[in-house]
Amino acid sequence: DTGVSQDPRHKITKRGQNVTFRCDPISEHNRLYWYRQTLGQGPEFLTYFQNEAQLEKSRLLSDRFSAERPKGSFSTLEIQRTEQGDSAMYLCASSFLGDGLEAYGYTFGSGTRLTVV
Amino acid sequence: RKEVEQDPGPFNVPEGATVAFNCTYSNSASQSFFWYRQDCRKEPKLLMSVYSSGNEDGRFTAQLNRASQYISLLIRDSKLSDSATYLCVVIGGSQGNLIFGKGTKLSVKP
Repeated sequence: DTGVSQDPRHKITKRGQNVTFRCDPISEHNRLYWYRQTLGQGPEFLTYFQNEAQLEKSRLLSDRFSAERPKGSFSTLEIQRTEQGDSAMYLCASSFLGDGLEAYGYTFGSGTRLTVV
Repeated sequence: RKEVEQDPGPFNVPEGATVAFNCTYSNSASQSFFWYRQDCRKEPKLLMSVYSSGNEDGRFTAQLNRASQYISLLIRDSKLSDSATYLCVVIGGSQGNLIFGKGTKLSVKP
């Protein structure tokens, strides 16, 4: 396990379809984050998990979006009834939160590029 | 006001030039600061952390001014391979999520 893996790398879907992305974090990491990046912008925070608990959701995460991390390992991000505005790169990152509440080893996956047509 | 603001550029410089990027952040309680590099259609990768005392890594120097809430990155003797987007990043609150600026695009020409 040398890094954060995301699957698929690319996804093209028709408007209105549901899509699901998967992220496998670094195994020792207890925190997992999802970000979205559109062209010309920096990544924007969507949500994060501490182990299996989803602790924060951004206002960007509409009710069509849901994320899970059922066993505190891999995570899925589902988008229901996709819209063209959902087209973006979806990035997953993981880190380890130590006792001092400092996050270490923040590492990004290669991302899933979603195109909604 | 955006939480992290950067000049989007692009900065077009010749090889060997020195280039400086600036960034401001709005949350005075922020404790951790970073510069990330992102190549086209790739994920962001950590370039360096930024410390109050300033820090240097080869041709790269990062500085932090907490009073002005200002972060900088200086690249000396720029190489063609330095061409990328440089993202200023602040850790948001106690949650550990990263807050990114829009990024500054650098293009180094021969």
